[in-house]
Amino acid sequence: GQQVMQIPQYQHVQEGEDFTTYCNSSTTLSNIQWYKQRPGGHPVFLIQLVKSGEVKKQKRLTFQFGEAKKNSSLHITATQTTDVGTYFCAVLIINTDKLIFGTGTRLQVFP
Amino acid sequence: DTEVTQTPKHLVMGMTNKKSLKCEQHMGHRAMYWYKQKAKKPPELMFVYSYEKLSINESVPSRFSPECPNSSLLNLHLHALQPEDSALYLCASSHLGGTGSNQPQHFGDGTRLSIL
Repeated sequence: GQQVMQIPQYQHVQEGEDFTTYCNSSTTLSNIQWYKQRPGGHPVFLIQLVKSGEVKKQKRLTFQFGEAKKNSSLHITATQTTDVGTYFCAVLIINTDKLIFGTGTRLQVFP
Repeated sequence: DTEVTQTPKHLVMGMTNKKSLKCEQHMGHRAMYWYKQKAKKPPELMFVYSYEKLSINESVPSRFSPECPNSSLLNLHLHALQPEDSALYLCASSHLGGTGSNQPQHFGDGTRLSIL
């Protein structure tokens, strides 16, 4: 079945440092979504990527979809304490409504 | 703030109890979902309803029984649960994706369930 791995599992950074999480799939993906879950909270949709090599930006966040559509990354520039949480990539199984979440990367930011 | 409302927020029950989790959305979404999330793990899909009909059951034990009374409501009936069923239960909703399309899911705050 579809497997989606994320690395690193956990990262702690000093406020102001950059952060990147990587999402890797065993199969070619039709699209990918990213979610953020704050501690004690629920997943919140961030963005969706569809096209090969696509790059999208949201303020300090940059999302990229790999050329082969098997991997994706989320990069945060100059982290802030408000960036704390777990970042999940998620893949929708084509022609279904089944969303598979990646293993997640937990980000801790120290002031 | 979330547009998907789940009740109760917390639930403690014994293994012989019967209880229900409730979920409500008024965004006109025709797909609704139940997920189970253990600590430090990703959400795991349990059930999907499309147009009020069960479309996906991820081999969930029968002690979990979903129900979709109408397009805005989703219930999860619980009976004879086991301690390992203790987890955060998340409800989500979305527009239906259609072929090749992908729709963002909107999650509720979840019900934190503890089985004694």
